[in-house]
Amino acid sequence: QQQVKQSPQSLIVQKGGISIINCAYENTAFDYFPWYQQFPGKGPALLIAIRPDVSEKKEGRFTISFNKSAKQFSLHIMDSQPGDSATYFCAANGGTSGTYKYIFGTGTRLKVLA
Amino acid sequence: GAGVSQSPRYKVAKRGQDVALRCDPISGHVSLFWYQQALGQGPEFLTYFQNEAQLDKSGLPSDRFFAERPEGSVSTLKIQRTQQEDSAVYLCASSLVPSGGLYEQYFGPGTRLTVT
Repeated sequence: QQQVKQSPQSLIVQKGGISIINCAYENTAFDYFPWYQQFPGKGPALLIAIRPDVSEKKEGRFTISFNKSAKQFSLHIMDSQPGDSATYFCAANGGTSGTYKYIFGTGTRLKVLA
Repeated sequence: GAGVSQSPRYKVAKRGQDVALRCDPISGHVSLFWYQQALGQGPEFLTYFQNEAQLDKSGLPSDRFFAERPEGSVSTLKIQRTQQEDSAVYLCASSLVPSGGLYEQYFGPGTRLTVT
């Protein structure tokens, strides 16, 4: 109930391509879904986040698509660049897990080839 | 400070030693969190402070783990009698508001603990 399942584990994309990372959750009480980007040796940094009252949110080249009925959400990185190479984590919180506690996915290691 | 800082950045401890990991949150941030990140995994919640009060310690793996934030700013995570399974990156995060409202948590760079 508390898990957030993330796929794929790793992803290789050509420069200029679209990177897509998917997450699925079980707890319908979750009400906040952030995506974090983590570079080696650094802490995770918030990239973009969505609440379940909208189906899509776009910020620059990054878009979250949210499907409430399927309990899935995904991150799309348009025009992927080598500088986007990092590990991406989806997360969720809210409901019975508490509004403060993030439940993270296992991460996707993205490599964008120049 | 400009962001969350943690020290030391790297710590090597012999099995059985005690360690103390420090977190300096963003000034004025009410909420402070500790997470444990095993190699190749996502961060896992350990404990949560609102000011100096530890409101949730449900994620602490054993009674060898202890966290404090006595004055509501700097926090210390202490691990007693370290074991090899304690090897991980320990992340600290802070947030401006308590539970509810904006949920954004700002993470520090982490302390990589290696127990030999």
